[in-house]
Amino acid sequence: NAGVTQTPKFRVLKTGQSMTLLCAQDMNHEYMYWYRQDPGMGLRLIHYSVGEGTTAKGEVPDGYNVSRLKKQNFLLGLESAAPSQTSVYFCASSYVGLKKEQFFGPGTRLTVL
Amino acid sequence: EDKVVQSPLSLVVHEGDTVTLNCSYEVTNFRSLLWYKQEKKAPTFLFMLTSSGIEKKSGRLSSILDKKELFSILNITATQTGDSAVYLCAVERGNTGNQFYFGTGTSLTVIP
Repeated sequence: NAGVTQTPKFRVLKTGQSMTLLCAQDMNHEYMYWYRQDPGMGLRLIHYSVGEGTTAKGEVPDGYNVSRLKKQNFLLGLESAAPSQTSVYFCASSYVGLKKEQFFGPGTRLTVL
Repeated sequence: EDKVVQSPLSLVVHEGDTVTLNCSYEVTNFRSLLWYKQEKKAPTFLFMLTSSGIEKKSGRLSSILDKKELFSILNITATQTGDSAVYLCAVERGNTGNQFYFGTGTSLTVIP
């Protein structure tokens, strides 16, 4: 099993460009999440999904959109990148119910110039 | 406002020392508290705590939750250089589909 994978691993964008980050999991998890991690800020939830076709906003959703068309994939989109979106982005997934452990992907380092 | 505060922010110890990491929280409808270890990349799961006073143990690591005083501690005994990492505390807010609030983490460095 690959677990949770993310593509790309690194990306540099110019202000105003758009991009999509892809997260894939092979553990049949219902829940999936997108976080960003900035120095001194910890992990902050951007958007999450409790099942195929459903998404919800987290703590810091502005400037991002998501889609969960297939259970195993969760896409994070930046329509018009800004320097404030420079960060490391982590995707995670988890089961429904009492096993709340989240399995994280390796992260995507995004720089917006 | 929901918040999770970890202390200390960073810690440097020698191999063999015992360390205690703290996590205090104020979260609406608390459900659970999880500890993660983050080395260079993705966080990996250590413990989940839901009930007060019940210690979870795994080797040299242990953790306990106090729901009355709203905090948890993570203890590491006989530290090793491989314990060097950032330790993250995450608290689940109820009624939001496993939505977690993370603290900023404690950076632990173990010197040989």
